[in-house]
Amino acid sequence: EVQVVESGGDLVQSGGSLRLSCAVSGFIFRNYAMSWVRQAPGEGLECVSSITNDGGSTYYVDSVKGRFTISRDNSKSTLYLQMTSLRVDDTAIYYCARRTLDDHLEFWGRGTLVTVSS
Amino acid sequence: DIQMTQSPSTLSASVGDRVTITCRANQSIDSWLAWYQQRPGKAPKVLIYKASSLESGVPSRFSGSGSGTEFALTISSLQPDDFATYYCQQYSRWWTFGQGTKVEIK
Repeated sequence: EVQVVESGGDLVQSGGSLRLSCAVSGFIFRNYAMSWVRQAPGEGLECVSSITNDGGSTYYVDSVKGRFTISRDNSKSTLYLQMTSLRVDDTAIYYCARRTLDDHLEFWGRGTLVTVSS
Repeated sequence: DIQMTQSPSTLSASVGDRVTITCRANQSIDSWLAWYQQRPGKAPKVLIYKASSLESGVPSRFSGSGSGTEFALTISSLQPDDFATYYCQQYSRWWTFGQGTKVEIK
């Protein structure tokens, strides 16, 4: 059974930093690209960042470029999102999801809540 | 940037109704479109990918159609479990979502 479990969300002040983790099991992690998607309270979905299966290529939405860094440890089947210079509008639930071979998103975790206060 | 626009934003329907949600892209995305269902407090779940392919385990009352810039998700006979918010997502270039359509009980 595929399991995707995010952690690391917290309440942090504006300008602060946080590292999110996403631990997976039930599939061969190193074979799949992964993504982070966020959802602000009461709002829609936004893909924040993505990484290829070997970590060789990374992608970011413009609003987080230079502030967020996606990475992965294939030996630990874990995906990370390092977030710095956090802003109030980064407040959201952050989901981790597996990218399929045709690039849509499947097997989402339950998310972890990041709250940035002013 | 590819923008996705869904309509309607909210849809009121009854159990057994046939409902259709539409999604429009501001440029052609071929068939690189997925539909997701999100129940309150839960993670999104993929229903349809490549515009019309049904994800494994998803009931056959869900179907997708369209290509290019115009797409639709149809639920042939609405069930109690289907009251949720639905999002389209393009994955032709980057990944962008529509703003969502909430299907509520009439």
